[in-house]
Amino acid sequence: LAKTTQPISMDSYEGQEVNITCSHNNIATNDYITWYQQFPSQGPRFIIQGYKTKVTNEVASLFIPADRKSSTLSLPRVSLSDTAVYYCLVGGAGNQGGKLIFGQGTELSVKP
Amino acid sequence: DTEVTQTPKHLVMGMTNKKSLKCEQHMGHRAMYWYKQKAKKPPELMFVYSYEKLSINESVPSRFSPECPNSSLLNLHLHALQPEDSALYLCASSQRGESSYEQYFGPGTRLTVT
Repeated sequence: LAKTTQPISMDSYEGQEVNITCSHNNIATNDYITWYQQFPSQGPRFIIQGYKTKVTNEVASLFIPADRKSSTLSLPRVSLSDTAVYYCLVGGAGNQGGKLIFGQGTELSVKP
Repeated sequence: DTEVTQTPKHLVMGMTNKKSLKCEQHMGHRAMYWYKQKAKKPPELMFVYSYEKLSINESVPSRFSPECPNSSLLNLHLHALQPEDSALYLCASSQRGESSYEQYFGPGTRLTVT
């Protein structure tokens, strides 16, 4: 399983765009990149998944460069309710899966 | 129904007790999972059930015993736990039978072992 490296914490202010970068230098050809969000005392929530280039949904965008050795989760115009831990995971070719191994995550704090 | 429910929300048990955690989903998902999460740490996979059969056991001590009575239900039976087993226990499910990276998590059971 590819190891991921993320910043331990980030601070932002309401209304700003937040970009969280994840490094995964040894990503395999058939690995996907998946991001989860977790609020305190709740289960993680699937945010977005991608393989290459750009994926966008109603919550976030995921940017993946051509070499796929890193990815960036972009949260547009964050609010206080976006304060959470964000996990980047690599592996699980589509729905063929594999064990979901969480890294340390990035603790995002959004201030008023 | 797009949620995973877990009961109880909180559980306090002594080291000699036997208790069970329950997880339920009605999304027709065919894989179900148990995770353990200690404070300020990421979730750690414990067990995976695929099509109601145990497919992954991450070398979990036998004092934790999973059970999947049917495709909607997942139990975790607890016996003779240690204080260090205190944690948030999370259940998750995914659509396909294979272990998937798109999982739906329940809110967890906060377990305290005294």
